[in-house]
Amino acid sequence: QVQLVESGGGVVQPGGSLRLSCAASGFTFSTNGMHWVRQFPGKGLEWVAFMQYDGSIKYYKESVKGRFTVSRDNSKNTLYLQMNSLRAEDTAVYYCAKESPQLGYYFDYWGQGTLVTVSS
Amino acid sequence: DVVMTQSPLSLPVTLGQPASISCRSSQSLVHIDGNTYLNWFQQRPGQSPRRLIYKVSKRDSGVPDRFSGSGSATDFTLEISRVEAEDVGVYYCMQGAHWPLTFGGGTKVEIK
Repeated sequence: QVQLVESGGGVVQPGGSLRLSCAASGFTFSTNGMHWVRQFPGKGLEWVAFMQYDGSIKYYKESVKGRFTVSRDNSKNTLYLQMNSLRAEDTAVYYCAKESPQLGYYFDYWGQGTLVTVSS
Repeated sequence: DVVMTQSPLSLPVTLGQPASISCRSSQSLVHIDGNTYLNWFQQRPGQSPRRLIYKVSKRDSGVPDRFSGSGSATDFTLEISRVEAEDVGVYYCMQGAHWPLTFGGGTKVEIK
């Protein structure tokens, strides 16, 4: 069965950095695009970043461009999100989610999420 | 960015009764490939989101057939034919036709 397990969240001061990881299993990671989606405390969902299966295409939400970098290691079945210059407004639960081109692409499976808190 | 507007914000329903959630987009969600990328997600309390419906009306595996999606272009609806206790949670629509991908603000379904 498909499993996505995020890790790397925690408390960081404004201006600090964190790297999130998403370990994938139960499907062929190297043939699926992957996304990061965040959820603000008690609120809705916001798409953050996307990486194509082979790393050839990346997209970012405008507010994180230049600060966040998505990457992947297909040999380790792992997706990453490097977050620099963190701001209070980046505080959220961060989910990784997979694509399925055969089933409408977006977010057919989600991880359990990892909480990032940016606070002094 | 494409703005997704859901209504109502809150939906109290009686068990066994139908429920309907509306989602409107600020632009047509018909992609250049001819598909309409409108998805619906359910988020139960304390859980991650789960996709229910993709491409307007296609149910994901394991989703009960009391859930159905309909609509076209900019107007979409999620219907629950007979609400059960396990359906309590927040429902989100999401568009995948244009970058950046965007979600609606959510509709909270609760039992009266």
